[in-house]
Amino acid sequence: GNSVTQMEGPVTLSEEAFLTINCTYTATGYPSLFWYVQYPGEGLQLLLKATKADDKGSNKGFEATYRKETTSFHLEKGSVQVSDSAVYFCALARIAAGNKLTFGGGTRVLVKP
Amino acid sequence: GAGVSQSPRYKVAKRGQDVALRCDPISGHVSLFWYQQALGQGPEFLTYFQNEAQLDKSGLPSDRFFAERPEGSVSTLKIQRTQQEDSAVYLCASSSMWGTEDTQYFGPGTRLTVL
Repeated sequence: GNSVTQMEGPVTLSEEAFLTINCTYTATGYPSLFWYVQYPGEGLQLLLKATKADDKGSNKGFEATYRKETTSFHLEKGSVQVSDSAVYFCALARIAAGNKLTFGGGTRVLVKP
Repeated sequence: GAGVSQSPRYKVAKRGQDVALRCDPISGHVSLFWYQQALGQGPEFLTYFQNEAQLDKSGLPSDRFFAERPEGSVSTLKIQRTQQEDSAVYLCASSSMWGTEDTQYFGPGTRLTVL
């Protein structure tokens, strides 16, 4: 079946540090890949997505590249801010499966000033 | 509406009680999904609808869980005879299309605590 594995947190960083959150997946076919973010007290929000191999999703300074050869979709940001403190979820979906999302366990990121 | 809304936001139930959780999707959205998020974990798929048709209920953990969307808009997730292991946040999401890759928009969730 489909599964997503992401690095466990918490990840604690200083402001302006470089952030990487690793995500790997197992899926049949050609899934779409997503990063969702959950800020404290708020609901899940789509951060970025990529629908095919070698696509790069980007938003709010975050980037992730769909790597089919390594089945990975690592999230990166070059200079984090305190406001980036949140829980980040990697996820996949397949059209053939009705686009239901399969999530990783989440990675909590804490950025200190 | 402006976004997906869910009610109630918090629900406390005694073990054995029945509960009903409501989801109002974004107006016009065809697809509606329910997920269960246990504390400290990622959401897990429960079921989804295309309009009023329930196309996949493979994630429902037991026959105590039942979902409906009779008019293709508002959906209700019902849990009968609640157990402590049902304690979780229940998330609803909607998207505008089915059969194509499309963004799911999530509601704030209902936090269910079973005592």
